[in-house]
Amino acid sequence: QKEVEQNSGPLSVPEGAIASLNCTYSDRGSQSFFWYRQYSGKSPELIMFIYSNGDKEDGRFTAQLNKASQYVSLLIRDSQPSDSATYLCAVTSSGNTGKLIFGQGTTLQVKP
Amino acid sequence: DAGVIQSPRHEVTEMGQEVTLRCKPISGHDYLFWYRQTMMRGLELLIYFNNNVPIDDSGMPEDRFSAKMPNASFSTLKIQPSEPRDSAVYFCASSPLYQGGNQPQHFGDGTRLSIL
Repeated sequence: QKEVEQNSGPLSVPEGAIASLNCTYSDRGSQSFFWYRQYSGKSPELIMFIYSNGDKEDGRFTAQLNKASQYVSLLIRDSQPSDSATYLCAVTSSGNTGKLIFGQGTTLQVKP
Repeated sequence: DAGVIQSPRHEVTEMGQEVTLRCKPISGHDYLFWYRQTMMRGLELLIYFNNNVPIDDSGMPEDRFSAKMPNASFSTLKIQPSEPRDSAVYFCASSPLYQGGNQPQHFGDGTRLSIL
């Protein structure tokens, strides 16, 4: 069973701090990696994707990928209470299927 | 651009009734996905289509569930007969043609289904 693992949390950080969310995956054939944010009662919303080893920055968000370690992370700088949500890690299934495998999500709480 | 459109947003019905959920993907997207989300099991892929053809329905829980995509702009997910354990939020998502694995899926607002 190909899996994506995330710590369910909650991860609690003070406002203005850096939040670090982590994800590991088992399918070595995965090529692309996505982070979705889901507010309570809402649908998942894409915030970042990465497909090369290293870092990718977009505003306050940085995605990090290490394919050798099968590890993806999302850093949120200057965390705001509005960042409080569940963050879902998703990876493509090997074999060019177009299918994504989702983790269970990490709940982030940013305290004012 | 219009996003993925799902209807109804909420559905409450009694056990044994037929339930039909509807989805209109983003125009031009080649893939359509149906997911179910519960607190216990998270986000589960039920079935997905490529160019209106079902590719993988291994996530469909049982024969009570069926999905169709008669054309590029419309898909349905049916549950007949419905049971209380089918209560969940059902999401539809679509994505463009898979090209090297970097095409994200875009989600609709979901249908919150309650079976009494």
